[in-house]
Order: sequence, then C-alpha cells, then structure tokens
Amino acid sequence: AQKVTQAQTEISVVEKEDVTLDCVYETRDTTYYLFWYKQPPSGELVFLIRRNSFDEQNEISGRYSWNFQKSTSSFNFTITASQVVDSAVYFCALSEAGTGANNLFFGTGTRLTVIP
Amino acid sequence: DAGVIQSPRHEVTEMGQEVTLRCKPISGHNSLFWYRQTMMRGLELLIYFNNNVPIDDSGMPEDRFSAKMPNASFSTLKIQPSEPRDSAVYFCASGFTGQGGDTQYFGPGTRLTVL
Repeated sequence: AQKVTQAQTEISVVEKEDVTLDCVYETRDTTYYLFWYKQPPSGELVFLIRRNSFDEQNEISGRYSWNFQKSTSSFNFTITASQVVDSAVYFCALSEAGTGANNLFFGTGTRLTVIP
Repeated sequence: DAGVIQSPRHEVTEMGQEVTLRCKPISGHNSLFWYRQTMMRGLELLIYFNNNVPIDDSGMPEDRFSAKMPNASFSTLKIQPSEPRDSAVYFCASGFTGQGGDTQYFGPGTRLTVL
C-alpha cells in the first residue's frame, strides 16, 4: 500500500494566486515524521519542513504554510501569493520510527507551474 | 556551509561499462543515503549507512550495484556492469543522527545515462 499519496499530479496557477498541495499518508506507527521537499527545474531536492506526529501545530514560514491534521492523515502545503520561482515539483514524504529507520517514503510529487 | 557534494553531475556511458558515483556528505552528519529517481518508480532508497556502516541495503536492485563508505566524508555507489535500465538520477543525502525521522539533506544528484 502506498504510504504517501499526492493525488494532484500537476497544478497550474497564475502568479499571486494561493495554491494548496495535498498530501495524505498512511501508517500504523504512532511515532512518525512528515516532510516536504521541493525539486526545482535544476533538479536538486530542497528540504522545506519536518513535522513529527506529536506536533499538530500548523506552521508558517513566509509565504509557505503547512496544515497537519492527524484526524484525516493529511499534511497539506499552501503557498500564498505564488511566484514564478515557486514552479517546481513538490514531494511529501513519511518516515516511520517503528521501522528503525531512516527510510523516507516519498509521494509521487505534484508539479506546480506558476504562470506569470 | 557546503551541502552534500556529488560527482560527476552527469555521466554518459555505454552498456557494460563500470560506473562510479561519488558523494561527500555534510560535515558532522553520520548517516548517508543513496536514492535513485526515475519517472516510472519515483524516488527509491537504495542503501543507507550509519556511522559508515551499511544498515539497510534492501533497496539495492541487484548484485551489479555496490556501495561503500570508507570514512565519514566519502561514499561511492558503483554499478558494474551498467545497463540501459540503470539510467536515472542518483541522489546522495546525509543526516545528523541516523535515527528515525532524521532530516535528510540531498545533494544535487548525478544524472546517469547508459546507452
């Protein structure tokens, strides 16, 4: 079973619009960690945020915000007032403490295109 | 601070040749990961090391792949012999604790093309 689902394959928005990228995860562990990474056209993977399962507080960092809801197993990412530089593929990922591990299970990614 | 360094950034080789990818993790990090990214399979963990010791290599596709970490500042991923289906972007990542949930910081990747 897929542990991380990013149902939106591609999204296009016009610059300055807000956009939300969805992430739904599946785990039986009570302790787990969620991540978002950005992969711009240049190809590198850039770490954006890490949340642990005990901390459901939403987080805001500039134009970025994250909404973690355990009740719906979701960890959604919102970009406010999008800019062309936000165009990238965004990956949600899960790590489970119970597997020992450092396995990061990645979703399939959402390609965001911001149109000027 | 320098991030994870990978070399080469691009590699084009012919089927049957040996390929060696190199990675220098972030100084002070004690865990290192090799991933492969393809369109078909997305991002897959190949192997990870903690304190230079291989912990989980269950993602290594087959015996043609091998990875080493001779010291804390260097790792290699070798493919011998290479095949066209090995064409992918290979990422190296490093982390601080090696524990579950550790944030992994990725290098720029090596784009491998096997003809």
